[in-house]
Amino acid sequence: QITLKESGPTLVKPTQTLTLTCSFSGFSLSTNGVGVGWIRQPPGKALEWLALIYWDDSKHYSPSLKSRLTVTKDTSKNQVVLTMTDMDPVDTATYYCAHSGLYSQYVVDYWGQGTLVTVSS
Amino acid sequence: EIVMTQSPATLSVSSGERATLSCRASQSVSSNLAWYQQKPGQAPRLLIYGASTRATGIPARFSGSGSGTEFTLTISSLQSEDFAVYYCQQYNNWPRAFGQGTKVEIE
Repeated sequence: QITLKESGPTLVKPTQTLTLTCSFSGFSLSTNGVGVGWIRQPPGKALEWLALIYWDDSKHYSPSLKSRLTVTKDTSKNQVVLTMTDMDPVDTATYYCAHSGLYSQYVVDYWGQGTLVTVSS
Repeated sequence: EIVMTQSPATLSVSSGERATLSCRASQSVSSNLAWYQQKPGQAPRLLIYGASTRATGIPARFSGSGSGTEFTLTISSLQSEDFAVYYCQQYNNWPRAFGQGTKVEIE
């Protein structure tokens, strides 16, 4: 059974760096075709795709946020970490991590429950 | 970057009726399109991938169609648990892109 869970601070100050951890079970990020992505959703708004890292350590980022995002994996710990620098109140959102690879390496299939991050001084 | 546009923004439907949701891509995404359902306070759930293939455990009343730039999600007979927001997402190109969502509400 594939499960994912996000963890990290619920409140960050403007200009700070956000670090979120996605801890997962039920799959290995060393398996061919598997990836873990990050998606966020501001309150009451639509989903926004942020980044994705694959089993081979290839990475893809949203162009509009690329300069601020870094995604890394720790296969031995079954974790993926997202860092976002220079946080702003507009970055307030629920941040989700999600698995891809059950049907296709390109399809996001299982999602974590999400974690709400508020950016405020 | 590909832009995904969904219509309508809100769809008011009675239980038991048919709902038809549309999604348009700004350029062809072939059949590399997924549909997700999101209920309040919950994470999205994958319904359809490959434009028309239901994910495991998804009821047959959900069906997807289309290719290229025009896609449709049809719910043949709405059940109470189907009232939610639905998002389309293309995975043909980087960066991935979601539509802005269609809210299906009770009429």
